[in-house]
Amino acid sequence: KQEVTQIPAALSVPEGENLVLNCSFTDSAIYNLQWFRQDPGKGLTSLLLIQSSQREQTSGRLNASLDKSSGRSTLYIAASQPGDSATYLCAANFGNEKLTFGTGTRLTIIP
Amino acid sequence: DAGVIQSPRHEVTEMGQEVTLRCKPISGHDYLFWYRQTMMRGLELLIYFNNNVPIDDSGMPEDRFSAKMPNASFSTLKIQPSEPRDSAVYFCASGTSAGGDTQYFGPGTRLTVL
Repeated sequence: KQEVTQIPAALSVPEGENLVLNCSFTDSAIYNLQWFRQDPGKGLTSLLLIQSSQREQTSGRLNASLDKSSGRSTLYIAASQPGDSATYLCAANFGNEKLTFGTGTRLTIIP
Repeated sequence: DAGVIQSPRHEVTEMGQEVTLRCKPISGHDYLFWYRQTMMRGLELLIYFNNNVPIDDSGMPEDRFSAKMPNASFSTLKIQPSEPRDSAVYFCASGTSAGGDTQYFGPGTRLTVL
């Protein structure tokens, strides 16, 4: 079964620190992987999309990596800010035209 | 563009009643997705359409759920009859591919079935 896992479920970090969010998946034949952000009571906003042929993508203070052989992706956030507080979800496309979502990591940046 | 629009934003109903959720995708997007999010099960794909045609409805929990897309700018998700276990946030998303590109999510409809 193709699954996506995110550990830990919650993370608290002091403002200004760099941090890494983890995502693991069971099938190395991944087509692409996306990272989303969800604010309380809101929908999901796409942050970064990494194709299987890529190893990383960057947008501002965010950097996402993809390692198919180990079944892992990470989202690196540099110089964290209170506005980064949200739930971050990763979603994998295993080539069957669907996204399989992880359960998310709830991030709190402490001022 | 206003993004994906969903209505209503909140719905409270009693068990046994019919519930209709509505979605307007982003213009030009030919894929539309319905998701359900709960604390227990996370985000689950219910059904998706391509060019108004249902492609995969294997995520629809049971016959009480139905979805339609009569044209490129409108879709509905109907639950009849509703049950308390249907309480969740229902999201609509649209995009230009099924999984190869970014999906754009609406704000969701929070459904409470009493």
